Amino acid sequence: GALVYQYPRRTICKSGTSMRMECQAVGFQATSVAWYRQSPQKTFELIALSTVNSAIKYEQNFTQEKFPISHPNLSFSSMTVLNAYLEDRGLYLCGARAWGAGNTLYFGEGSRLIVV
Amino acid sequence: TQTVSQSDAHVTVFEGDSVELRCNYSYGGSIYLSWYIQHHGHGLQFLLKYYSGNPVVQGVNGFEAEFSKSDSSFHLRKASVHWSDSAVYFCAVSAGSNNRIFFGDGTQLVVKP
Repeated sequence: GALVYQYPRRTICKSGTSMRMECQAVGFQATSVAWYRQSPQKTFELIALSTVNSAIKYEQNFTQEKFPISHPNLSFSSMTVLNAYLEDRGLYLCGARAWGAGNTLYFGEGSRLIVV
Repeated sequence: TQTVSQSDAHVTVFEGDSVELRCNYSYGGSIYLSWYIQHHGHGLQFLLKYYSGNPVVQGVNGFEAEFSKSDSSFHLRKASVHWSDSAVYFCAVSAGSNNRIFFGDGTQLVVKP
């Protein structure tokens, strides 16, 4: 089946430092990867959508300078939160779309960022 | 721009009850709808989807959802809930395939024994 692994599950970082998180699709080729942030209030924000053979598209309020994403192949994506502050805390979820699966995203368990 | 609305933030039922979680969307074109479940401390798990065809779609664990174009709705239902169904349920919408997916604010379902 389609599985998505995210690492690390949880990170505590000091304000102003950075955190890198990884996302790996196992058992399928990910045609695109979407990164979301879930706030402590449980609402979701789409950060960016990375599609094979296309440029990474960032949503409003999210920039490559703050959330650089690397998507070197169909199975792996990583995102870094640079200069993290309190407003960046939350659960970062990676959703991968499998070839032929339409618009269904398969999610990992998320990487929780705690900023102190 | 498509939007999705989940009118109930919290729903509490007893084990064995039926439940309906409401989802309404606003978009005029071809639309892709889905439901996800999130157990406490975990990521999102896909439940079911609708894009075309039979408006009633079946998902895992006895869940089903019905698409209604006239009501702009995609409500999730289960005939008899179990305590393990307690979780937050998210409705999601996107404009056609291979496009951005947006989530509603979620409905917390509590199933009492």
